[in-house]
Amino acid sequence: AAGVIQSPRHLIKEKRETATLKCYPIPRHDTVYWYQQGPGQDPQFLISFYEKMQSDKGSIPDRFSAQQFSDYHSELNMSSLELGDSALYFCASSLYPGRANTEAFFGQGTRLTVV
Amino acid sequence: GNSVTQMEGPVTLSEEAFLTINCTYTATGYPSLFWYVQYPGEGLQLLLKATKADDKGSNKGFEATYRKETTSFHLEKGSVQVSDSAVYFCALSPPNTGGFKTIFGAGTRLFVKA
Repeated sequence: AAGVIQSPRHLIKEKRETATLKCYPIPRHDTVYWYQQGPGQDPQFLISFYEKMQSDKGSIPDRFSAQQFSDYHSELNMSSLELGDSALYFCASSLYPGRANTEAFFGQGTRLTVV
Repeated sequence: GNSVTQMEGPVTLSEEAFLTINCTYTATGYPSLFWYVQYPGEGLQLLLKATKADDKGSNKGFEATYRKETTSFHLEKGSVQVSDSAVYFCALSPPNTGGFKTIFGAGTRLFVKA
């Protein structure tokens, strides 16, 4: 079965550079979520999209932005990177949760290292 | 607000030992409850879930029962294997909030020795 695809799997950037992470949800899923997991920490919710509109916002820095496109894939854009942005970034997808307790399916994550 | 608290790790067990990882939650309404597992170098995978009180989720020998009276969702396995070594996250999903964000516990790292 198709899963959530994230690219790239690994990314190394220098401080103050820009990074773009991509997420391709499971076919027919209309909702995408982004999480950040720092070393040894639990995943923190960043932002979510439903039908190409932002549906919820968590602890996403102002330096980051995200969008969902017409084919439902999503991109997380990170600018002015800082060392503290080094983390594993997960994307997840689901059907809109208004359909009662749907679960999210996670991608394998993009490991971003800022040097 | 909504929150998840799980026992601190690491938990170290010998192969074939009994495993319990405690998880309690705070939520309004009736959330769905999940256990996710993260193997080294990999993403989160759903291990099991329960969507209403007294439901029991089970998968790969792991079980957890949704206990509303104690607001708990403890993970158990009767006989662990070395391949079960991973980080386990308890999580909840608030019911039909119009937005959606799974709320995770801090994770419990399990080491199983041969």
